[in-house]
Amino acid sequence: DQQVKQNSPSLSVQEGRISILNCDYTNSMFDYFLWYKKYPAEGPTFLISISSIKDKNEDGRFTVFLNKSAKHLSLHIVPSQPGDSAVYFCAASVEGAQKLVFGQGTRLTINP
Amino acid sequence: GAGVSQTPSNKVTEKGKYVELRCDPISGHTALYWYRQSLGQGPEFLIYFQGTGAADDSGLPNDRFFAVRPEGSVSTLKIQRTERGDSAVYLCASSLTVDTEAFFGQGTRLTVV
Repeated sequence: DQQVKQNSPSLSVQEGRISILNCDYTNSMFDYFLWYKKYPAEGPTFLISISSIKDKNEDGRFTVFLNKSAKHLSLHIVPSQPGDSAVYFCAASVEGAQKLVFGQGTRLTINP
Repeated sequence: GAGVSQTPSNKVTEKGKYVELRCDPISGHTALYWYRQSLGQGPEFLIYFQGTGAADDSGLPNDRFFAVRPEGSVSTLKIQRTERGDSAVYLCASSLTVDTEAFFGQGTRLTVV
């Protein structure tokens, strides 16, 4: 039972354009959502989070949108840069950072 | 270093052997988490500690897996009678409290042959 799903295994975007990564979840008890970025042979790196009381959170080039009625969140990166090429995981929890449930990941490739 | 440190970075062991994986969290972080990531999947929760005690071990797959954090800092994940299906990257993370974001180590790649 996959509670957090990232349906696109890969995404290719041209440098300078917007990258949009999507994530769907099924557990309505989730109230905290995070995005992590992972380079090969490294652990996931925290990018941005959002709690269920908000529908948008922005940090520099990264914006996360949460649509609770659709149980959907997305990560927007604009403008995309070559260093953004990595695997992106969305994660959710019922409370705080404990017991995160991760999606399968989306490999983002930024083309020059 | 300032980040979460995991040792060894790679471990190859024979089926049936016992292994220990170590995690040094960020200094001052009270919460510590273990996850397991199989190829092509996202990390899966195993166990988390608040201080010295295991607050939630519901993700441990069976009784061959055990983890300790005796002094509330370093943690060791122990796997008995390893099986080929245990092969994965084992990730450790820590957070200042359970309400703040978790920071991950680079992981230990375990290969059971």
